[in-house]
Amino acid sequence: GAVVSQHPSRVICKSGTSVKIECRSLDFQATTMFWYRQFPKQSLMLMATSNEGSKATYEQGVEKDKFLINHASLTLSTLTVTSAHPEDSSFYICSVIPGDRAGNTIYFGEGSWLTVV
Amino acid sequence: QKEVEQDPGPLSVPEGAIVSLNCTYSNSAFQYFMWYRQYSRKGPELLMYTYSSGNKEDGRFTAQVDKSSKYISLFIRDSQPSDSATYLCAMSPLNAGNMLTFGGGTRLMVKP
Repeated sequence: GAVVSQHPSRVICKSGTSVKIECRSLDFQATTMFWYRQFPKQSLMLMATSNEGSKATYEQGVEKDKFLINHASLTLSTLTVTSAHPEDSSFYICSVIPGDRAGNTIYFGEGSWLTVV
Repeated sequence: QKEVEQDPGPLSVPEGAIVSLNCTYSNSAFQYFMWYRQYSRKGPELLMYTYSSGNKEDGRFTAQVDKSSKYISLFIRDSQPSDSATYLCAMSPLNAGNMLTFGGGTRLMVKP
């Protein structure tokens, strides 16, 4: 069964509005979650590392004020795309490394398709 | 030059064929190597996970890592139409999600 759950799987929003995407770890607690973005026919690009109880760490070139990340609990991280524009349309994916599992396999969510019109 | 190179394909094979997917990399610090399968409009699914050099087999899938050549492979035996997907290699110097480097993905099509 799914280890990581993302919601919504698909969202369409108007330009200028904000959209929130949730990432939940289902079977374990996760102090760290990761957010990726994937444009069509391209590979995943890490956007930020979400840390429970502290500020997220953003990769170079990712605007922290535009992509707000909140990791309020050990099982939930949210990504909010603020003042969305058509160029923000993309596939957003979260991933988790279960801290208590040997081998520390990285699990991905199902992804969320964002279309800004 | 990208840190991880992967032929984008598409690679088209008949059902039952042996498929070979490959990635090359330039960073000798990479220690952890992974292969993910991604169906259209879905998140990546971990297929194989290996540490350092060697082979690992799981059912119809075999992963090979040759660190001396900086080359990794994923073999799929008896390929099925359900194997049609994009396959992404990923690697990391440490087992940390914020240090994963992905290849661009190879699109595989298995025709019945």
